[in-house]
Amino acid sequence: AQSVSQHNHHVILSEAASLELGCNYSYGGTVNLFWYVQYPGQHLQLLLKYFSGDPLVKGIKGFEAEFIKSKFSFNLRKPSVQWSDTAEYFCAVKGSNDYKLSFGAGTTVTVRA
Amino acid sequence: GAVVSQHPSWVICKSGTSVKIECRSLDFQATTMFWYRQFPKQSLMLMATSNEGSKATYEQGVEKDKFLINHASLTLSTLTVTSAHPEDSSFYICSAESFKSPEGPSTDTQYFGPGTRLTVL
Repeated sequence: AQSVSQHNHHVILSEAASLELGCNYSYGGTVNLFWYVQYPGQHLQLLLKYFSGDPLVKGIKGFEAEFIKSKFSFNLRKPSVQWSDTAEYFCAVKGSNDYKLSFGAGTTVTVRA
Repeated sequence: GAVVSQHPSWVICKSGTSVKIECRSLDFQATTMFWYRQFPKQSLMLMATSNEGSKATYEQGVEKDKFLINHASLTLSTLTVTSAHPEDSSFYICSAESFKSPEGPSTDTQYFGPGTRLTVL
């Protein structure tokens, strides 16, 4: 069974600080990897995804993530956060031949102005 | 593109009644729709997967007779919570995965609705 682990439950930082959220997964085959964001009171939105190719993936709103196969990791980064990045961030994994998406527990990011 | 809507956005009902939640893909055809439940400050838990015209596949521990899912068309799936009880109060979220189309959104990617807050008194 696949599982997803997000290391940080709650991250608090100031505007312009750099952000990195950890995500590790456990799965026995080829995976598709996703980061979703849920802004307060809004629905989940896709930030970025990795299926194959360049392991450094760029998404919307200045976010990027790097897939490191040897570490089973897919960490999310943003060099300089803004107050509007305050949200819940979810890492999700799906076997490439599977239909089921498994989510991590989520990381709450609070950006102070 | 890839917009998913849910209706209603929130509902309050009495214990013992049934509640129907609709999930629609507005600008694409969805081969598969998913229903999740999200508890406060927790992650999404997959309840069931539905494909148009066939029976839903329920996750372990989810009562199929209590959570009835109908996927009548490529753009509509409904979740009916039957004989609702206070412990069914939760945030229910649907997602849709696109039918393969060069003009449509990415396949193998789920697009999420805004969720429905159910409160059972």
